[in-house]
Amino acid sequence: AQSVAQPEDQVNVAEGNPLTVKCTYSVSGNPYLFWYVQYPNRGLQFLLKYITGDNLVKGSYGFEAEFNKSQTSFHLKKPSALVSDSALYFCAVRDMTTDSWGKFQFGAGTQVVVTP
Amino acid sequence: NAGVTQTPKFQVLKTGQSMTLQCAQDMNHEYMSWYRQDPGMGLRLIHYSVGAGITDQGEVPNGYNVSRSTTEDFPLRLLSAAPSQTSVYFCASSVGTVRSYEQYFGPGTRLTVT
Repeated sequence: AQSVAQPEDQVNVAEGNPLTVKCTYSVSGNPYLFWYVQYPNRGLQFLLKYITGDNLVKGSYGFEAEFNKSQTSFHLKKPSALVSDSALYFCAVRDMTTDSWGKFQFGAGTQVVVTP
Repeated sequence: NAGVTQTPKFQVLKTGQSMTLQCAQDMNHEYMSWYRQDPGMGLRLIHYSVGAGITDQGEVPNGYNVSRSTTEDFPLRLLSAAPSQTSVYFCASSVGTVRSYEQYFGPGTRLTVT
């Protein structure tokens, strides 16, 4: 079975400092990994994805993520956080086992709080 | 494109009542899904569909029905509402089951069952 873990319920960071949101995964076969962001009272917005190729993936709003196969991790990063980055972040993996039809499995989410 | 739309935005039901949450997309996406979001639980998959006439259960299907008669619409039916179904419900769609495609989410429906 595929699974995703986000070990931190909340990450606090000062504006201008680097931001990292952690995600680890467990899959059979090649991983297909995604990051989403949810602002208050809104739906989820797609940030970036790793399918294959370069281990550093760049996405929307200045975010990037580093895929590490040996550590089975896909951490989200931003070099300089903004107050407006305060939101709930979800990591997800797409289940590509034979009978899954490509179901998405989401982590529990990490609340990011950026203070001025 | 309107993307993924959901109606209603808010709903209050009494225990035992039934209702249908509407979801529509105008992107000609094959794959559609319903999630519920509860505090500390992330998103849990209720039902999903890979095309008109094809649906399957997700992680938490009990108490919910779906059907997919058209590519555009994927309604979620609550058969007999229970307080445990109080949640925020999100509909999402994706181009297809090809692994590289991400999902697009609707704005959500906040349901309270009293």
